[in-house]
Amino acid sequence: DAGITQSPRHKVTETGTPVTLRCHQTENHRYMYWYRQDPGHGLRLIHYSYGVKDTDKGEVSDGYSVSRSKTEDFLLTLESATSSQTSVYFCAISAPYEGQNYGYTFGSGTRLTVV
Amino acid sequence: DQQVKQNSPSLSVQEGRISILNCDYTNSMFDYFLWYKKYPAEGPTFLISISSIKDKNEDGRFTVFLNKSAKHLSLHIVPSQPGDSAVYFCAGLSGTASKLTFGTGTRLQVTL
Repeated sequence: DAGITQSPRHKVTETGTPVTLRCHQTENHRYMYWYRQDPGHGLRLIHYSYGVKDTDKGEVSDGYSVSRSKTEDFLLTLESATSSQTSVYFCAISAPYEGQNYGYTFGSGTRLTVV
Repeated sequence: DQQVKQNSPSLSVQEGRISILNCDYTNSMFDYFLWYKKYPAEGPTFLISISSIKDKNEDGRFTVFLNKSAKHLSLHIVPSQPGDSAVYFCAGLSGTASKLTFGTGTRLQVTL
């Protein structure tokens, strides 16, 4: 097991409510990422972190914020959920350039439905 | 702006035959290209990668070819097996934060 867990696995929420998804790793990797997967779009980067309290935006960051107060936890918050944020969210961890696969390991995903 | 494109949403191949999945890219700054495999209700898992300075990398039944002049890469699976049925994503790796840019995926079905 890669030592990355996401919670919750499934969530249904109402439009306009804030939602927080959690990613927890036990690998002590420096880099953590949040992606969303949508039909016809593949996986798109929302935000990423390159260390505690160090985060940056990805290509689809509008409406999302992140926080990383500890190496092991990376939180994704939808400030005011909209139906367009209905998606499957994946967290990933990376230890770059360690071996040929470049260290990207994904969690099992959170399926979020905004009604 | 889609930097990584997989133009075939689906592919069906008979067991034992070769599966060829294609990927095109526009960003010349990618350092590596990677293929990920994804089963339903699971996260993507790493399959194989290739450096931008190489033109071929092989790992068992999986071979990735890179044609830099055409900005094209392909994944060959020989022989194809039913367990290979999944969605395959190609991705380009760039930047100091090792960000991956993914294509839209190709669903491979290997039939008996």
